[in-house]
Amino acid sequence: ETGVTQTPRHLVMGMTNKKSLKCEQHLGHNAMYWYKQSAKKPLELMFVYNFKEQTENNSVPSRFSPECPNSSHLFLHLHTLQPEDSALYLCASSQEAQPRVDTQYFGPGTRLTVL
Amino acid sequence: GENVEQHPSTLSVQEGDSAVIKCTYSDSASNYFPWYKQELGKRPQLIIDIRSNVGEKKDQRIAVTLNKTAKHFSLHITETQPEDSAVYFCAASTGGSARQLTFGSGTQLTVLP
Repeated sequence: ETGVTQTPRHLVMGMTNKKSLKCEQHLGHNAMYWYKQSAKKPLELMFVYNFKEQTENNSVPSRFSPECPNSSHLFLHLHTLQPEDSALYLCASSQEAQPRVDTQYFGPGTRLTVL
Repeated sequence: GENVEQHPSTLSVQEGDSAVIKCTYSDSASNYFPWYKQELGKRPQLIIDIRSNVGEKKDQRIAVTLNKTAKHFSLHITETQPEDSAVYFCAASTGGSARQLTFGSGTQLTVLP
């Protein structure tokens, strides 16, 4: 349960605020992911980092800005969000280097509310 | 891109009965199919996965079947227990340098005592 941690667990912000979400993995993995989970919708992949390099940006608005300073840490910087961005933001990690393990391990998520 | 459809969206069973959740995918190149369980207020956790070179996989009360021709895969839970109550998500992936999972919309399973 402590392999992937996320802070803060809850965040309330106004549309003009700037905040950051943090994810840290203690599993020695080299790939990290950001997902958005909205009510009654599938988990949506937002960003993928492999060996600190961004390999995917699934048409995410520029008000979401990821940062991956090393293989253990992942940030999601937020600015000028909209109320429809309110959701649970989940971080995950996996081992992509050999021996490859496909399982993605999720963090507990940050519950974001945009007022 | 990949599209994954999952049915049913809600499922109620009596304790001890079996539960089946079905998913279909669109991309014939998909080769990895995990199932995640998410209890209320908790993170998704992998419960079982299957790769395209296998038709069935079992782990105690849980099994997954894959039909590559029809592009569908199913989760089977036997002898259900109240602690099996959760949201279950299927996913599909074609692989690549890092797994990009496309998830189904989830099934809320309720096991009635």
